Amino acid sequence: DGGITQSPKYLFRKEGQNVTLSCEQNLNHDAMYWYRQDPGQGLRLIYYSQIVNDFQKGDIAEGYSVSREKKESFPLTVTSAQKNPTAFYLCASSILGQGNEKLFFGSGTQLSVL
Amino acid sequence: GQSLEQPSEVTAVEGAIVQINCTYQTSGFYGLSWYQQHDGGAPTFLSYNALDGLEETGRFSSFLSRSDSYGYLLLQELQMKDSASYFCASGGATNKLIFGTGTLLAVQP
Repeated sequence: DGGITQSPKYLFRKEGQNVTLSCEQNLNHDAMYWYRQDPGQGLRLIYYSQIVNDFQKGDIAEGYSVSREKKESFPLTVTSAQKNPTAFYLCASSILGQGNEKLFFGSGTQLSVL
Repeated sequence: GQSLEQPSEVTAVEGAIVQINCTYQTSGFYGLSWYQQHDGGAPTFLSYNALDGLEETGRFSSFLSRSDSYGYLLLQELQMKDSASYFCASGGATNKLIFGTGTLLAVQP
């Protein structure tokens, strides 16, 4: 079955630690996205990528980094510079990333700080 | 910049009709999408309006008025399973999809 896989489902970070969230898709989509969702709030865009080896900052990119070495994979690293990382992180993909397309979402990763 | 505003909560009874509104401010508007998200789950796509008017998909309909920078999602014959958060979203000249603040719909028996 085609889809987007995020792992792990739950992740805990210690102070000063970098952690990486995995996102893999087998939908052959060009565009991939990372969103952050805080309790009771909407989705805020962290980073997005429309093509391999290229990505753009979203509205809240500070304290995060990404890579897009393969079309299927778009990992997100939450660095120690992100002082309030506790949130639900959602990865998504779409066919072309033209800003008006249907997004397909993974099941999310809940990140908490120890 | 882009922003999309929605009511934070809406309550309705089973079998009723409910309307969830969305007003937006965007640069280079490309259309309005709607997503449903159950608690702890992933958002799923419901509908998309590129042009003014009503789009119908089963029990769900979505409306767009570009001149008023306004849209809504209409849910008919409400069922308990419709209890979820609903988000409007819009893309623009920057080719990124921005989501609204979300509306929590509670369907009561």
